[in-house]
Amino acid sequence: GENVEQHPSTLSVQEGDSAVIKCTYSDSASNYFPWYKQELGKRPQLIIDIRSNVGEKKDQRIAVTLNKTAKHFSLHITETQPEDSAVYFCAASWPFGAAGNKLTFGGGTRVLVKP
Amino acid sequence: GAVVSQHPSWVICKSGTSVKIECRSLDFQATTMFWYRQFPKQSLMLMATSNEGSKATYEQGVEKDKFLINHASLTLSTLTVTSAHPEDSSFYICSAGRELGYNSPLHFGNGTRLTVT
Repeated sequence: GENVEQHPSTLSVQEGDSAVIKCTYSDSASNYFPWYKQELGKRPQLIIDIRSNVGEKKDQRIAVTLNKTAKHFSLHITETQPEDSAVYFCAASWPFGAAGNKLTFGGGTRVLVKP
Repeated sequence: GAVVSQHPSWVICKSGTSVKIECRSLDFQATTMFWYRQFPKQSLMLMATSNEGSKATYEQGVEKDKFLINHASLTLSTLTVTSAHPEDSSFYICSAGRELGYNSPLHFGNGTRLTVT
């Protein structure tokens, strides 16, 4: 099955700096890569996703890049703010059928933005 | 707003008892829902795939007789933790995709924190 590795496990940045989280996946058939943000005790919230036919996607301060050849994808957060502090999870999915995605999650990155 | 609702948000039960957790898709039909478990400071681990009108598909290492899944309608899946033990204490989260087809975003319920005493 799919295996997703995520680094680093913790990341501390100064407010205003950038944060980068990297993930690698093992199954070349994976074609959908979402990123989730989870605050303490709450549900994971989808913040951005990318499909395998796209190399980069950006949404305001958040961007994701995908390198299919190397089987890795990254999350970039620019101009970090204290409210960006949370645990971020990457995930990979492969064609499961008509009904939805079967996601394998990375181990998570705890991001702390220091004011 | 939330598109997947989960209930209860937390529950405390005694060892040996059973607990039922409900997951509902709001304003859309979900033929497939997924159940995850998350231990403190760890990632989300897929437990099983819930299929409307048929048996659930369990991941390796997950006991199907212990974690009973029923997907009786297109908007409701339930997870029953039977004969709960303290090691079953965890955060259980369901998810569903609003759109049909793979590569559709998954939305998560608010989770259920189960504590078994």
